[in-house]
Amino acid sequence: GENVEQHPSTLSVQEGDSAVIKCTYSDSASNYFPWYKQELGKGPQLIIDIRSNVGEKKDQRIAVTLNKTAKHFSLHITETQPEDSAVYFCAAKGDVWGKFQFGAGTQVVVTP
Amino acid sequence: DSGVTQTPKHLITATGQRVTLRCSPRSGDLSVYWYQQSLDQGLQFLIQYYNGEERAKGNILERFSAQQFPDLHSELNLSSLELGDSALYFCASSAGDESPLHFGNGTRLTVT
Repeated sequence: GENVEQHPSTLSVQEGDSAVIKCTYSDSASNYFPWYKQELGKGPQLIIDIRSNVGEKKDQRIAVTLNKTAKHFSLHITETQPEDSAVYFCAAKGDVWGKFQFGAGTQVVVTP
Repeated sequence: DSGVTQTPKHLITATGQRVTLRCSPRSGDLSVYWYQQSLDQGLQFLIQYYNGEERAKGNILERFSAQQFPDLHSELNLSSLELGDSALYFCASSAGDESPLHFGNGTRLTVT
């Protein structure tokens, strides 16, 4: 089955700097890669996603890149702000209908 | 607001007891997923239903069961509860195979 590894587990950045989170997946048939942000006391919220036919996608300060050959994808947050502090999860959907595998999460702390 | 509703928000019960967690998916979503999130742990997939039928099973214990009703809401039943079952339980819904998951805010279960 699909296995997703996520690094780093914690990330501390100064406000205004960039943050990068990386994930690797094992199933070459995986075709959909969403990223979720989980704030304290809330459920994970979809922030951006990318499909296997696209190499990069951007939404304001957030971007995701996908390298299918290397089987890894990354989340980039630019000009970080204190409200970006949260746990971020990557996920990959394999060839099994609707089944998502999540990374272990990255605790991002943005310090003013 | 994701549109996914979970009740109750908090549940405190004793070992050996049985509880039921309820989830109402987003309007129009046919698929419901259940995830468990223990302290400092990632999202562990439990089970998925699509339009009333079980679609995929993850690391769900035999003491746990779920079902999806004709109105598409779902219930997760946890029985013979143990201290280690204390966790956040999330429900997510999606519209279909190529669609992202939308999570509720979870039910926090505490077993004493």
